Amino acid sequence: NAGVTQTPKFRILKIGQSMTLQCTQDMNHNYMYWYRQDPGMGLKLIYYSVGAGITDKGEVPNGYNVSRSTTEDFPLRLELAAPSQTSVYFCASSNRRRSYEQYFGPGTRLTVT
Amino acid sequence: KNEVEQSPQNLTAQEGEFITINCSYSVGISALHWLQQHPGGGIVSLFMLSSGKKKHGRLIATINIQEKHSSLHITASHPRDSAVYICAVSELRGSNYKLTFGKGTLLTVNP
Repeated sequence: NAGVTQTPKFRILKIGQSMTLQCTQDMNHNYMYWYRQDPGMGLKLIYYSVGAGITDKGEVPNGYNVSRSTTEDFPLRLELAAPSQTSVYFCASSNRRRSYEQYFGPGTRLTVT
Repeated sequence: KNEVEQSPQNLTAQEGEFITINCSYSVGISALHWLQQHPGGGIVSLFMLSSGKKKHGRLIATINIQEKHSSLHITASHPRDSAVYICAVSELRGSNYKLTFGKGTLLTVNP
């Protein structure tokens, strides 16, 4: 199993550009999450999904959108990128059978200039 | 919302020392997680516990539910243990699949 994969690993965006961060898991997990990690701060939940077709906002959803058309994929869309979205983004997945232990992807380092 | 506090924020040790990292939280939980993040690297789950103690190699995690406190111990520390250690908790009811994270403890172990 590859686990949770994310692409790209690094990206530099100009202000106002848009992009999609890809996340795929091959563990058949129902639950998927997007977090951002800023220096000196704990991981903050952006969006999460409890199954295909179901998504919900986390703590810091503004400026982002998600979709969950399949169990495997959970892309995060940034529209009109702003410098405040410079961060490291992590995707994670979990399932009830393993008591919601979360498995993380390798992260995407995004810089908006 | 649960408040998760970790101490210390930074910790420097010599190889071989016994390490303790602490985590406290404000509201009852269903489980507490300890995670490890190497510099520039991804995040891996070390332990998930809801009571008592767990051990894996040189790592030991304990939790005291009444005091809302957990500790992560590393025995015979090694430079490869240098990483950020993150404590996270899941809610007692309802959305227990969501985690609230502490800010992490940066551990540096010198040879």
